[in-house]
Amino acid sequence: DSGVTQTPKHLITATGQRVTLRCSPRSGDLSVYWYQQSLDQGLQFLIQYYNGEERAKGNILERFSAQQFPDLHSELNLSSLELGDSALYFCASSVLGGSGANVLTFGAGSRLTVL
Amino acid sequence: AQSVTQLDSQVPVFEEAPVELRCNYSSSVSVYLFWYVQYPNQGLQLLLKYLSGSTLVKGINGFEAEFNKSQTSFHLRKPSVHISDTAEYFCAVSDKTSYDKVIFGPGTSLSVIP
Repeated sequence: DSGVTQTPKHLITATGQRVTLRCSPRSGDLSVYWYQQSLDQGLQFLIQYYNGEERAKGNILERFSAQQFPDLHSELNLSSLELGDSALYFCASSVLGGSGANVLTFGAGSRLTVL
Repeated sequence: AQSVTQLDSQVPVFEEAPVELRCNYSSSVSVYLFWYVQYPNQGLQLLLKYLSGSTLVKGINGFEAEFNKSQTSFHLRKPSVHISDTAEYFCAVSDKTSYDKVIFGPGTSLSVIP
């Protein structure tokens, strides 16, 4: 158990629908990252939050949004889902600072299947 | 912007043989480098990291990596692999001036053959 909790583990939904993926970071970590892993695109960085604020943005579609709440958990919202959104979505957390290098602790992922 | 290249998408190797997984990066500034491993149906976990100092870095499970600044490489090695090393290996880079973003390479699938 890495200490990063992601729910749900599996999710099957239809095109056009909206889903929410949830992540609780490891205790003491202030930063949350979201990644999308698919066979053709590899591990793509979506977005990062630090202590409630957006810090970095990657290849996140406009149909996707995220936020980090005061208790530091984060949610990734995916809307108007398309078949191509089927992927494994990972959340990772880290403590910024210290040596300055971000060592990420990953959750087990949420597997989204869009039919 | 940084980028990471992993030259081999799949590496088959016999058990107890040595292995090297290659990683090259590009960045206009100094970087931190990482190797992560993903076992089947699991999340990624850190194998080792290079932050500064000695260019030879030792990690868990007998893996090591060498940072070569002139060749912008950070290759991962193990002298003798085990069946349990079968996994996906990802090289990653973060930029020392903006260490928020961690960029991963496409991954190398290591298959250890008994």
